[in-house]
Amino acid sequence: DTGVSQNPRHKITKRGQNVTFRCDPISEHNRLYWYRQTLGQGPEFLTYFQNEAQLEKSRLLSDRFSAERPKGSFSTLEIQRTEQGDSAMYLCASSSQTAMNTGELFFGEGSRLTVL
Amino acid sequence: EDKVVQSPLSLVVHEGDTVTLNCSYEVTNFRSLLWYKQEKKAPTFLFMLTSSGIEKKSGRLSSILDKKELSSILNITATQTGDSAIYLCAVGIGDDMRFGAGTRLTVKP
Repeated sequence: DTGVSQNPRHKITKRGQNVTFRCDPISEHNRLYWYRQTLGQGPEFLTYFQNEAQLEKSRLLSDRFSAERPKGSFSTLEIQRTEQGDSAMYLCASSSQTAMNTGELFFGEGSRLTVL
Repeated sequence: EDKVVQSPLSLVVHEGDTVTLNCSYEVTNFRSLLWYKQEKKAPTFLFMLTSSGIEKKSGRLSSILDKKELSSILNITATQTGDSAIYLCAVGIGDDMRFGAGTRLTVKP
């Protein structure tokens, strides 16, 4: 296992289309996080899972955003009816209970969304 | 509302200089404060701090937390061009983590 994997790495779409991103965490990590990062800003929390349970969602996450982690392994983040303001880097991170004790999140390379 | 504020937002120095990056926070349910380095891609972990006054050190980087002042500093001595990156401060809140906007450090040769 080489780390957290995200795909696609880059997605260009037209406004109004739906997009889906996938994240494969480090295999033994039970916690999975989604963040959004725009230019000049730090990662902004979107949601997180412990196993298959979605434990927290940011108030900033509109109804057009939905995330799943059906079997407690990989996760998907879907954005419906994309808007230009959705253009950002979507980062996935994972952690185990042990790693959280050291504070470390392991980030993927991100999926960059460009909405035209 | 939980807040993590970093300063300065941007810093340009020359190789060999020493820099100090600041992070202040106002959060409920503080668990830890973390520093990450972000170059072109994913953030990578530097330090986690949970106790006031105890310095964490790794090579030329060091960091300390002041829980009374709700702040932390990250020091980099004898900077090198390879230190150029965005330095992110994050605060662990329960099982979650909130990030500041980052400090973009540029080290010129």
